[in-house]
Amino acid sequence: AQRVTQPEKLLSVFKGAPVELKCNYSYSGSPELFWYVQYSRQRLQLLLRHISRESIKGFTADLNKGETSFHLKKPFAQEEDSAMYYCALTGGTSYGKLTFGQGTILTVHP
Amino acid sequence: NAGVTQTPKFRILKIGQSMTLQCAQDMNHNYMYWYRQDPGMGLKLIYYSVGAGITDKGEVPNGYNVSRSTTEDFPLRLELAAPSQTSVYFCASSYRNSNQPQHFGDGTRLSIL
Repeated sequence: AQRVTQPEKLLSVFKGAPVELKCNYSYSGSPELFWYVQYSRQRLQLLLRHISRESIKGFTADLNKGETSFHLKKPFAQEEDSAMYYCALTGGTSYGKLTFGQGTILTVHP
Repeated sequence: NAGVTQTPKFRILKIGQSMTLQCAQDMNHNYMYWYRQDPGMGLKLIYYSVGAGITDKGEVPNGYNVSRSTTEDFPLRLELAAPSQTSVYFCASSYRNSNQPQHFGDGTRLSIL
């Protein structure tokens, strides 16, 4: 069975500090991994996906198949980054069905 | 362009009542999904559909039913509401490709008392 684990429910940092949100997964095939974000009073939306290998809003995430991890990183956190972050996984033949982690609430203090 | 629209936003039901949560998308997406989110937990898939007339169970389907008569609409039905179904329900849709992002609605907060 596939599983996504986000070990931190809450993460607090100060503005300008680096931030790393951890995500570990278990999946027997080749996974497709995503980070979704929900800002206050907004819809859950895609932040980035590993297949694109892109940086969005200063965030990056690298798929490490050896450690089965997909940690989300940003070198200098901003107050507007405060949100709920979900790591999610899907398999190649699963019709896009997502398995979500429990989520991490990131708070960036001024 | 509304994207994914869910109604209602809030609802309180009594045990044993039934209701339908509505979901509509205007992006011509093939795939649609229903998730529930319990406090402190991630989203769990209830049902999904890969096109009109085709639906299948997700991880937590018990107590729910769905239909997909059109590409746009994907209603979720609760037949006999139970306290365990108190949750926030999210509908999502995507194009026909597993690495395409899912677009979410605002959610429906449902309480069963």
